[in-house]
Amino acid sequence: GQNIDQPTEMTATEGAIVQINCTYQTSGFNGLFWYQQHAGEAPTFLSYNVLDGLEEKGRFSSFLSRSKGYSYLLLKELQMKDSASYLCAAVDSNYQLIWGAGTKLIIKP
Amino acid sequence: IAGITQAPTSQILAAGRRMTLRCTQDMRHNAMYWYRQDLGLGLRLIHYSNTAGTTGKGEVPDGYSVSRANTDDFPLTLASAVPSQTSVYFCASRGQGAGANVLTFGAGSRLTVL
Repeated sequence: GQNIDQPTEMTATEGAIVQINCTYQTSGFNGLFWYQQHAGEAPTFLSYNVLDGLEEKGRFSSFLSRSKGYSYLLLKELQMKDSASYLCAAVDSNYQLIWGAGTKLIIKP
Repeated sequence: IAGITQAPTSQILAAGRRMTLRCTQDMRHNAMYWYRQDLGLGLRLIHYSNTAGTTGKGEVPDGYSVSRANTDDFPLTLASAVPSQTSVYFCASRGQGAGANVLTFGAGSRLTVL
């Protein structure tokens, strides 16, 4: 079956760095997404990786290893506004998105 | 402002009633999707449409129907609501060309079935 695993909840301190991991098992693979979702709001796009390696976009970076079925989202210089859920989603062979349950990130001052 | 509009934002509904959640996009995206989001679970695909005039079933289609008469609108209908359909519903669309894989979401419709 198809499966996405990510931690349910993480806590970090303002100004610090946090890494949110995601492992996936899909029938075929056409890339991996990270979305951010603030409480009561819609998910918004953060990153898309289809090739192995690290992609940096400001304070946020996303890494993919296709051979290991693994990705992570790295958030640097954490701000209180980064408190949100982070959703990992893999694209399968039919170009459908398989979603993880999300990681709730709590930032403490 | 280009994007996706969902209505209603929130609704409380008696079990057995019929309900249609509306979704309209002005980005001329071909593909549109309906997801439900429940606590502790990932987004689950209910129905999708790759282009106007076509629809398909997702992971959890039972109890729901959709139509796609034109590019812009993709309504989701609950023919006879049940309490297990209490959820937050998100409509999304996906465009063509550069960034074609990226989903854009509406603000969501929170539905409570009593």
